[in-house]
Amino acid sequence: EVQLVESGGGLVQPGGSLRLSCAASGFTFSSYSMSWVRQAPGKGLEWVANIQEDGSEKYYVDSVKGRFTISRDNAKNSLYLQMNSLRAEDTAVYYCARGSGIFDSWGQGTLVTVSS
Amino acid sequence: EIVLTQSPGTLSLSPGERATLSCRASQSVSSSYLAWYQQKPGQAPRLLIYGASSRATGIPDRFSGSGSGTDFTLTISRLEPEDFAVYYCQQYGISPRTFGQGTKVEIK
Repeated sequence: EVQLVESGGGLVQPGGSLRLSCAASGFTFSSYSMSWVRQAPGKGLEWVANIQEDGSEKYYVDSVKGRFTISRDNAKNSLYLQMNSLRAEDTAVYYCARGSGIFDSWGQGTLVTVSS
Repeated sequence: EIVLTQSPGTLSLSPGERATLSCRASQSVSSSYLAWYQQKPGQAPRLLIYGASSRATGIPDRFSGSGSGTDFTLTISRLEPEDFAVYYCQQYGISPRTFGQGTKVEIK
């Protein structure tokens, strides 16, 4: 069974940083591209970033370029999202998802709240 | 960026009825790279349909997708109690991947 478990969310002040993690199991992690998708409270879904299987290519939505960095460790079956210079509008549940086009499996999400 | 507009915003129906959800794209979605997801309160989204009309693994056949170009439809032939949820369309033909704003299917 595919499992994706996010961690690392929490309350952070504007301008601060957080690092999200996603632990994957139940599939060959190194064979899949991976993504982060977020959902602001009461709002819709927004793709944030994706990374290719070997980590060689990374793509970001314009609103996070230069502030967020997606990475992965295939030896640890883990996906990461380093978030710097956080803003109030980054407040959302952040989901780890398998794939970079179709998102066929999702974690339960981790809440990031940016507030003073 | 492709903007996806879903209609209606809310659909009020009774169990057993047919639901028809629309997703319109601001430009043509290449190769019908259009997916549909279901999200229930407090849960992660679940993939229902990809390639505009292919059901994902384990999805009941009462869910069907159709369309091409800029106009796509998700149909639920007979609503079951567990189908009342929010549905999102998503295009993956070009980057950035974008989602529609969602259609809520609620019990009438």
